[in-house]
Amino acid sequence: EAQVTQNPRYLITVTGKKLTVTCSQNMNHEYMSWYRQDPGLGLRQIYYSMNVEVTDKGDVPEGYKVSRKEKRNFPLILESPSPNQTSLYFCASSLFSGTSGNEQFFGPGTRLTVL
Amino acid sequence: DAKTTQPNSMESNEEEPVHLPCNHSTISGTDYIHWYRQLPSQGPEYVIHGLTSNVNNRMASLAIAEDRKSSTLILHRATLRDAAVYYCILRRTTSGTYKYIFGTGTRLKVLA
Repeated sequence: EAQVTQNPRYLITVTGKKLTVTCSQNMNHEYMSWYRQDPGLGLRQIYYSMNVEVTDKGDVPEGYKVSRKEKRNFPLILESPSPNQTSLYFCASSLFSGTSGNEQFFGPGTRLTVL
Repeated sequence: DAKTTQPNSMESNEEEPVHLPCNHSTISGTDYIHWYRQLPSQGPEYVIHGLTSNVNNRMASLAIAEDRKSSTLILHRATLRDAAVYYCILRRTTSGTYKYIFGTGTRLKVLA
């Protein structure tokens, strides 16, 4: 089954304790992206990656890191989480062809609480 | 900065058409207009996209204004399962890559 998986689905942590949220897709997609969703603000793009070893900042990259060492995986790293990073996080993937629309497939989300 | 503006909420009766509007007055010539929807407790799912011409698929139709500063997602016959938050998004191509700019979404309530 074609899918995007995220782990963990729920996480409660404390300020300053490094954490990683994993994202994996099995569709051989080049493009992967991380979003955060906050009430009243909708979804905002954090980082995206066009292919292995190619990443770039979205609209809200501060406090986050990413890496793309393999095509299927795109982990989101919070080196020193703070309470304002409490949010619902989504990973997404799509083909990257440079033309046409390229539908994004979203994971189920990770709800992060930073105390 | 590019952004999209949508009404916060809309209501529709079941089996009737729904027209969900979106303004994107700062759209650039190569920006694609995407629509996604998010059912409760799920990630967003793709609905439809377009560039300049109106588009139809099995889920919906997308009507794009001639100046591209607005668009309308049309659900031809709303069902209870269509109750969701609908997002109008610009996909901007910059330096050979894509950025996605989401609006805050319209919460659609479908009345039985």
